[in-house]
Amino acid sequence: SQELEQSPQSLIVQEGKNLTINCTSSKTLYGLYWYKQKYGEGLIFLMMLQKGGEEKSHEKITAKLDEKKQQSSLHITASQPSHAGIYLCGADNNNNDMRFGAGTRLTVKP
Amino acid sequence: ETGVTQSPTHLIKTRGQQVTLRCSSQSGHNTVSWYQQALGQGPQFIFQYYREEENGRGNFPPRFSGLQFPNYSSELNVNALELDDSALYLCASSGTGGDRTQYFGPGTRLLVL
Repeated sequence: SQELEQSPQSLIVQEGKNLTINCTSSKTLYGLYWYKQKYGEGLIFLMMLQKGGEEKSHEKITAKLDEKKQQSSLHITASQPSHAGIYLCGADNNNNDMRFGAGTRLTVKP
Repeated sequence: ETGVTQSPTHLIKTRGQQVTLRCSSQSGHNTVSWYQQALGQGPQFIFQYYREEENGRGNFPPRFSGLQFPNYSSELNVNALELDDSALYLCASSGTGGDRTQYFGPGTRLLVL
């Protein structure tokens, strides 16, 4: 089965700084999803990437899927306290399910 | 457009009891997936329902069962609760066609004492 590893596990940044979160898969990714989760709440869909080399942006968040389709990165520009939360990457598996990484906990200090 | 809703928001049960969690899918979605999320971990897939039939199952014992109704809402039932069942239970719905994006509800926090 597919395993997803996220790094770093946690991140503390000063407001206004840029940051990158990585998601590495043990297998080729055919659909990679990024979600954000506030502690103890549901997941909020951010972006979905399918094609190698694909890049998508929404406001100050950019996600990329590398050419070999085994790694994705999420980059936040000029971080704000509203960006704080847990970022999860998920991948389509072959059992109609989605596999998730363990998440990256982001803290943004004002 | 109504998003995914779940009830109840919180629940406390004792070991050995049974629990039923409920989920209403997003308007236009016919597929519902259930996940268990333990503290500090990513969600783990329990099972998926499509048009009232189970359409995939993760590595969970048979005491985890589910239903999907004609209006695509769904229930997750857990029998003989164990302490390790304490977790956030998430429901997600998705539509037909090429877009398999799953949209999640707010979750139900279950505590088993």
